[in-house]
Amino acid sequence: KNEVEQSPQNLTAQEGEFITINCSYSVGISALHWLQQHPGGGIVSLFMLSSGKKKHGRLIATINIQEKHSSLHITASHPRDSAVYICAVTNDMRFGAGTRLTVKP
Amino acid sequence: DADVTQTPRNRITKTGKRIMLECSQTKGHDRMYWYRQDPGLGLQLIYYSFDVKDINKGEISDGYSVSRQAQAKFSLSLESAIPNQTALYFCATSREGAGELFFGEGSRLTVL
Repeated sequence: KNEVEQSPQNLTAQEGEFITINCSYSVGISALHWLQQHPGGGIVSLFMLSSGKKKHGRLIATINIQEKHSSLHITASHPRDSAVYICAVTNDMRFGAGTRLTVKP
Repeated sequence: DADVTQTPRNRITKTGKRIMLECSQTKGHDRMYWYRQDPGLGLQLIYYSFDVKDINKGEISDGYSVSRQAQAKFSLSLESAIPNQTALYFCATSREGAGELFFGEGSRLTVL
């Protein structure tokens, strides 16, 4: 069983919708990463957070350390947001399996 | 130029062959990592290094070895490749344990 669970595995949305991707983990951590993997395979870091909330443009990441849960939100989604979103916990660099997001125009 | 460069980007080889994947970085980071990605399984850590000559096993190190002879370079070797090592391999760097991760573009390896 993966110690980092993401939901949903796949998500299809219409352009403009508000998106939420969830990540739950079972171990104590010092920080959590949200990553984006483009259709071509490249991976970029979106956020690293250890408490509270971070915002970058239309993306918002939150984490609740007590509940061992993090969420990634995308406001006003756009087709260019289509990608696989991956969460990872830093203590032993465990990764979730990813959430494949497709945003339709 | 990319901050983290992997070579080769694609490689097809046969069972039993020795393969080396190379990773170089211009970030000046101490920490480097090798991961493999299989469909539906997410990224799995193979080996990591916190400094030159420092080597640590990850969750799936069997069948692999690494070398960190310089801060900027971290090489992954498959001494005798087997078909279930067919995967997408990523190198990553970070400044410290809780620092932002920077990934290479990936190396797709196919073992026939």
